[in-house]
Formats: sequence, C-alpha cells, structure tokens
Amino acid sequence: NAGVMQNPRHLVRRRGQEARLRCSPMKGHSHVYWYRQLPEEGLKFMVYLQKENIIDESGMPKERFSAEFPKEGPSILRIQQVVRGDSAAYFCASSPQVGGQPQHFGDGTRLSIL
Amino acid sequence: DQQVKQNSPSLSVQEGRISILNCDYTNSMFDYFLWYKKYPAEGPTFLISISSIKDKNEDGRFTVFLNKSAKHLSLHIVPSQPGDSAVYFCAATSNTGNQFYFGTGTSLTVIP
Repeated sequence: NAGVMQNPRHLVRRRGQEARLRCSPMKGHSHVYWYRQLPEEGLKFMVYLQKENIIDESGMPKERFSAEFPKEGPSILRIQQVVRGDSAAYFCASSPQVGGQPQHFGDGTRLSIL
Repeated sequence: DQQVKQNSPSLSVQEGRISILNCDYTNSMFDYFLWYKKYPAEGPTFLISISSIKDKNEDGRFTVFLNKSAKHLSLHIVPSQPGDSAVYFCAATSNTGNQFYFGTGTSLTVIP
C-alpha cells in the first residue's frame, strides 16, 4: 500500500503498559482515519482527524484511547493501560478530502497484549 | 449495529470463471460505495467505487453494480485469476460522512 506509512508493524505490550501507534499519511493528504480490526471482523471506525483537530471520535472508546494529528509529524493513536481485549490490527487511512473519496490504507500495526 | 453486511464469509471459483461478491446495506443515507481487496498482513487496497447516481461502474475485469431500491451492491470479477484470491471488503459512506462502514469481508479463493 504505497504512501500511508504505519509503524511499528508489530507491537507487543504487557497489560497495563501504554501503546503508541504512528501513522504518516500519503503526501498531500490532510485527512487521517483510524480503524480497528478484531479477528474475524471487519474494520471498525475509531476516529477522524485533520491537522491539529479531532473531527469525529465517535468510534473511539471513551477511556484509555486518544488520538492526535499535530501540525508537524505523524498522527498518533495512544492506548493507555492496555488490556487483552485491545489486541487487534489497527489501520490508518488517509484521503485528500472528506466524502466521496477513497481512503488509502497503511499496512497496519498488529498489537498483541501479553 | 452492522450497517454494511457481507453474508458470505467465503467463496471459491474456478480460474477463468466469474466471481460475484455481494454486499447489503441498511442506511439509506449512504451514497458512495467502495470495494477493497486485502491480502494477509497488508492493509486494504482500494479496488473500485460507485456513486449512488450510477448503477454500474466498470474497470477492466472488475464491475460494481448498485441496486439502491434493494440496498444491495455486488462486485463481479471476470475472468477470475488466482492472483485475485484475497479478502474483499465492501464499504459505504455518505458524501458528507466522516467514516466508512465496512462489511466483515468475503474470502475469495480462485482455483487454478
């Protein structure tokens, strides 16, 4: 998937630790979306951000999860005090504008909680 | 609340034949629909899309059909090739929407 870069590709954390997932959108894209995919399920929307603004976080759990997209640097999805149920693949997508445009996805970060 | 549904978890097709993947949705506000293809350990790759003002969109071997009255869309792949073996996700959004709603995917296997 050219363009959208996510790192790390794999992340292992123990229960109670923090996980930080990074996403650099495609060049020229100012809209970033985070999705979570649990085993045997489709992708579930978490949050939509533009530079320095959270536009829609309706899919984000109310506690322990936060996201940012600073003026400089990648978008960050942070999960504090991780639990086993946070184990999933987290995908970032970007688009040049909202609505009526395909989103382009990164290869995801696979988070495993021990 | 699954607003986009793919009721067939898997599909096997002989090489050279047609593959038909189906998708149903419930939200009448959706007006933009997409198909993504996903290989293991990779992110979804955009394949083809259709706006609600159309009922068909074609791109090479891939054609998407939209039936708004039935809230149903389908992806036709013809002829199917072994390299088409992947998981296919249907997604929907509105032109003013922030998020895409994804189905649970259909795993396509094309048998040589």
